[in-house]
Amino acid sequence: EVQLVESGGGLVQPGGSLRLSCAASGFTVISNYMSWVRQAPGKGLEWVSIIYTGGSTYYADSVKGRFTISRDNSKNTLYLQMKSLRAEDTAVYYCARGRYYGSGTYCFDYWGQGTLITVSS
Amino acid sequence: DIVMTQSPDSLAVSLGERATINCKSSQSVLYSSNNKNYLAWYQQKAGQPPNLLISWASTRESGVPDRFSGSGSGTDFTLTISSLQAEDVAVYYCQQYYSTPTFGQGTKVEIK
Repeated sequence: EVQLVESGGGLVQPGGSLRLSCAASGFTVISNYMSWVRQAPGKGLEWVSIIYTGGSTYYADSVKGRFTISRDNSKNTLYLQMKSLRAEDTAVYYCARGRYYGSGTYCFDYWGQGTLITVSS
Repeated sequence: DIVMTQSPDSLAVSLGERATINCKSSQSVLYSSNNKNYLAWYQQKAGQPPNLLISWASTRESGVPDRFSGSGSGTDFTLTISSLQAEDVAVYYCQQYYSTPTFGQGTKVEIK
């Protein structure tokens, strides 16, 4: 059974840093396109980042230069390192598996339960 | 980025009646080389993550009831719930994957 379990959320001050983890089971992270998608409280969904099977990474303009996606193949875990956090980064962050269709196109077929990040002083 | 706009923002439908949600993209998401629409629909129930219902604009995921159907092409798409059930109360999102993925703002479906 495919499972994704996020952790690492919490309250952080503006300008602070945080690292999210997403432990995967039922499949291997390295063989899949893994993504982070966030949802601000009461708002819609926003794609944040993706890491391809080959290791290439891509980011939304809103987080480029501040967030870094990575994975640990031995732990079958996806990460999102976030720095220079802003109030507008407050959201539930979901780890999602991308269903890749080639040429940079993908939707999301499995999602974790999400972890809440609150950026506030 | 491609902007996705859903309508209405919310709708209330009686049990057993039809619910129709529209999604419009700011540019076509139809790939001419394979004649496929790069459009997905998700259902998000309260307190849960989104769940993929439909890909390629009209292909239901395994296990999705056949009362859910997707249609449309190019820039205009529709998700139809043919006979609304209580368990269908949720927010529904469209997502284009023709380019960097973007989502619609969501449509909340409630029971009238």
